[in-house]
Amino acid sequence: KAGVTQTPRYLIKTRGQQVTLSCSPISGHRSVSWYQQTPGQGLQFLFEYFSETQRNKGNFPGRFSGRQFSNSRSEMNVSTLELGDSALYLCASSGTSGRGDTQYFGPGTRLTVL
Amino acid sequence: GESVGLHLPTLSVQEGDNSIINCAYSNSASDYFIWYKQESGKGPQFIIDIRSNMDKRQGQRVTVLLNKTVKHLSLQIAATQPGDSAVYFCAENPYSGYSTLTFGKGTMLLVSP
Repeated sequence: KAGVTQTPRYLIKTRGQQVTLSCSPISGHRSVSWYQQTPGQGLQFLFEYFSETQRNKGNFPGRFSGRQFSNSRSEMNVSTLELGDSALYLCASSGTSGRGDTQYFGPGTRLTVL
Repeated sequence: GESVGLHLPTLSVQEGDNSIINCAYSNSASDYFIWYKQESGKGPQFIIDIRSNMDKRQGQRVTVLLNKTVKHLSLQIAATQPGDSAVYFCAENPYSGYSTLTFGKGTMLLVSP
């Protein structure tokens, strides 16, 4: 079974631009979560989607948004990019959105903001 | 212990040694815990998990111990190999009804041949 895939793998943007990242979960998985990883803050939860609905949201500004499609694929968008948004953005999928359901991660998208 | 920023705590071992990586979790309501391994340039890879109704769980060469009294988790790797070199994260699932994870800062494991 194929794992979680994320595109693009690398991205360079300038301040003020916006960016869209894509995630395809493991086949059959209906929950997709997004995390931001930086050297300073580690891995931080952004949001979780299940059946096209945002189930949970982390403590990030409204510039960060996401959505999920009927095939469970998900996108996240960051508008008005700031230098501090440079990070590895990780997507994880799980079968359900329930507590204790193992999350499997993709390789991430490395975003650099200049 | 945990560290902040670029200065991850590092555990250096020799090939063949047993390794123990420790983690303190924050939420006493958490009842599901996972260890992930992250190699350079890759996403976190699931290693082993444990639920709060257990104290110990074993996998292939790995054992996780859970001490709920002091909110402590440890990962033991037997006969450590160079391929085990990576950053190891513990994660807890504190949110009722969701699979959202809260991660520790990570520990870098360096295995010398």
